[in-house]
Amino acid sequence: DVKVTQSSRYLVKRTGEKVFLECVQDMDHENMFWYRQDPGLGLRLIYFSYDVKMKEKGDIPEGYSVSREKKERFSLILESASTNQTSMYLCASSPLSGGRQSYTFGSGTRLTVV
Amino acid sequence: AQSVTQPDIHITVSEGASLELRCNYSYGATPYLFWYVQSPGQGLQLLLKYFSGDTLVQGIKGFEAEFKRSQSSFNLRKPSVHWSDAAEYFCAVAPGALFGNEKLTFGTGTRLTIIP
Repeated sequence: DVKVTQSSRYLVKRTGEKVFLECVQDMDHENMFWYRQDPGLGLRLIYFSYDVKMKEKGDIPEGYSVSREKKERFSLILESASTNQTSMYLCASSPLSGGRQSYTFGSGTRLTVV
Repeated sequence: AQSVTQPDIHITVSEGASLELRCNYSYGATPYLFWYVQSPGQGLQLLLKYFSGDTLVQGIKGFEAEFKRSQSSFNLRKPSVHWSDAAEYFCAVAPGALFGNEKLTFGTGTRLTIIP
């Protein structure tokens, strides 16, 4: 069964901490994405990557950075966590297809910043 | 830029009743359209997708959706809902035949509650 695995289901961090959210896919997909999900706002794209070491900003990149050193792994970094970054974070991957292929999602990481 | 509107935040339906969830998109050309479902505590799962051709598409779990170009809509339907259909449903759009643009834009979601 193909999978996108997010390393933590629940995470509690303190304001100002540097936070790493990890995502690994085993499908050899080119594209990987980080979304945050908030009630009433749906899913908003933070960053995505279409190749190793390549990244593009999504709609809400402020306060975040990403790293993709290997094809299967895409990390989201909160340089200095703030309470307004408390949210559900979803990672997804897809093959390169011009948008025709659906995403495979991880189960999400619920991050609370206190 | 494309956008997706799901006008219903929350819908309650009796088990066995029919269901229609609305989705409208804003884009100059025919985009690629998707419906995803998210069960509590889970990631999103693809229900169905539309690229071209027959405007009525069938998906998993007995769901179907109809693309109506004149109304810029892609509504999701099910003739008879089951308690296990209680979840949040997201409509999403990709720009279409523009190779290399892989990003999906999601609507804000519709939460579906099923009552016995």
